[in-house]
Amino acid sequence: ETGVTQTPRHLVMGMTNKKSLKCEQHLGHNAMYWYKQSAKKPLELMFVYSLEERVENNSVPSRFSPECPNSSHLFLHLHTLQPEDSALYLCASSQDWGESYEQYFGPGTRLTVT
Amino acid sequence: AQKVTQAQTEISVVEKEDVTLDCVYETRDTTYYLFWYKQPPSGELVFLIRRNSFDEQNEISGRYSWNFQKSTSSFNFTITASQVVDSAVYFCALSDPDPYGQNFVFGPGTRLSVLP
Repeated sequence: ETGVTQTPRHLVMGMTNKKSLKCEQHLGHNAMYWYKQSAKKPLELMFVYSLEERVENNSVPSRFSPECPNSSHLFLHLHTLQPEDSALYLCASSQDWGESYEQYFGPGTRLTVT
Repeated sequence: AQKVTQAQTEISVVEKEDVTLDCVYETRDTTYYLFWYKQPPSGELVFLIRRNSFDEQNEISGRYSWNFQKSTSSFNFTITASQVVDSAVYFCALSDPDPYGQNFVFGPGTRLSVLP
């Protein structure tokens, strides 16, 4: 596979469930990102990992918990979510973490919280 | 504070028309980067172009062209002879350094519909 892949593509979960989103990049990049895209809102950066270390956490509720076991994989663990957390969750990667690097995105996971 | 504005929420054109998508940005830094991304209905954002703040040359890639003007803080995107496959949401983004590494901010996007 090439590029950035995300699984699952669609997820429906209840507010008491625990689930995880998975992202894998096949580009040899050192930085990975989680974004949230809600209807009628700009893309919101949630977390950034550089060389497997979290370098940015933009005031995201603790019900979202990221994990980066290596530079190719990124997870987003979800628990006790709210209906307003329903959104498209996008993973991205870049060569390194810095202002000059473009990001490459996966297809996203469409999450619905019921 | 940095900000990206895309004033056009939605644009509809008929195939073969030219269309320009506007992007205006704000930053206090002298070194920064501007990007355009395309998001087709499939959801995946596709990188189109990166431009650094010291390079004001316009760029052309096939039917796509970009006009970067620092004097007006704009980085506009033109599609010539639009096609139905160009229908997507287009995002302009700004990246500049901060004490922790970088700020990366997306504009709200412009939804382009190209009608046959």
